[in-house]
Amino acid sequence: DTGVSQDPRHKITKRGQNVTFRCDPISEHNRLYWYRQTLGQGPEFLTYFQNEAQLEKSRLLSDRFSAERPKGSFSTLEIQRTEQGDSAMYLCASSLAGTSGANVLTFGAGSRLTVL
Amino acid sequence: KQEVTQIPAALSVPEGENLVLNCSFTDSAIYNLQWFRQDPGKGLTSLLLIQSSQREQTSGRLNASLDKSSGRSTLYIAASQPGDSATYLCAVRSNSGNTPLVFGKGTRLSVIA
Repeated sequence: DTGVSQDPRHKITKRGQNVTFRCDPISEHNRLYWYRQTLGQGPEFLTYFQNEAQLEKSRLLSDRFSAERPKGSFSTLEIQRTEQGDSAMYLCASSLAGTSGANVLTFGAGSRLTVL
Repeated sequence: KQEVTQIPAALSVPEGENLVLNCSFTDSAIYNLQWFRQDPGKGLTSLLLIQSSQREQTSGRLNASLDKSSGRSTLYIAASQPGDSATYLCAVRSNSGNTPLVFGKGTRLSVIA
């Protein structure tokens, strides 16, 4: 296991199209997080899962955004009817809850979205 | 609502200098604080984690301190090198281990050879 993997690394799309990002966490990690980062800003929390349950969603996650983690392993983040304001880096992170490892998130390299 | 501020926003130093990056947070009831490094266009790499009961953590040339009562943390980098050039992000987790990390905007560090 080489860490948290995200795909695609870069997506360019036209306004109004749907896009989907995938995150594969570290295999033994039961928590998975999605963050969004725009240029010059720190990452902003979007949502997180423990196993397959989505435990918290930020108000940033509008109804055009949906995240799933159907089997408690990989996760997808879908953005419908993309807008130019959705252009950002979408970061995924995972951690192991229930031990001291719950405190340490391991981040993926991110998926950069450009909406034209 | 927890807010995290990092000062300065950008810093340029000659190679070999020791430097300090600052992080402040508004709610002192934190669970832990974490420093990350981010290279341009890349994800985040965890550098140091300080639990709320700890005062500092060290890893190699890096030392992070935490003063919970004043809502401050510093990241000290000794003998800086050009390879240290990156953005350094501070993030805090409030109250319990179940709350999401809240990040500052980062300090962009350039170490000039």
